[in-house]
Amino acid sequence: ETGVTQTPRHLVMGMTNKKSLKCEQHLGHNAMYWYKQSAKKPLELMFVYNFKEQTENNSVPSRFSPECPNSSHLFLHLHTLQPEDSALYLCASSPALAGGDTQYFGPGTRLTVL
Amino acid sequence: DQQVKQNSPSLSVQEGRISILNCDYTNSMFDYFLWYKKYPAEGPTFLISISSIKDKNEDGRFTVFLNKSAKHLSLHIVPSQPGDSAVYFCAASAQNNNDMRFGAGTRLTVKP
Repeated sequence: ETGVTQTPRHLVMGMTNKKSLKCEQHLGHNAMYWYKQSAKKPLELMFVYNFKEQTENNSVPSRFSPECPNSSHLFLHLHTLQPEDSALYLCASSPALAGGDTQYFGPGTRLTVL
Repeated sequence: DQQVKQNSPSLSVQEGRISILNCDYTNSMFDYFLWYKKYPAEGPTFLISISSIKDKNEDGRFTVFLNKSAKHLSLHIVPSQPGDSAVYFCAASAQNNNDMRFGAGTRLTVKP
């Protein structure tokens, strides 16, 4: 397996459910990111991790909880979501946090909240 | 506050002609600019980038132009091919971090 992988690819959940999204990168990168892409809107940065430490939280509601156990894995734990949270959630990684470091994206998880 | 804007949601060109995708930004601290391409059901893939010390970068059929004074960049694809049909995102970041800001994307359709 190479690159950045995400599971599941599709997820449908009710507002009272708890689920987790998983991201894994096989590129030896040190920085990992979660993005949200809603229909016809720009990608919105949610969280940034560098060497397993969270360096940025872009005012994301607490119903989204990230976890980074090591530099290769990143999780997004979801609980009591709202229908407006339905979107494509993209994970990315980059060698470092230096400006201009190319970010490599996974295929995304298409989330639908009923 | 949308710091990176792609004002054309869609663009249609004929195969073999030039495609020009435009992007404007507002933050003068941005030093790096990237273009990503996204096919349906896939994540964005890196296409080409440029740093603020240059005004042009070329890679095969793809050329990115940067006009810092106008805070404008563009991606030229020539000749365009049907396989280039995708959504193209412009992105920018500052030198001291990789907090990348994306535009909303332009859907390019190249007709055979």
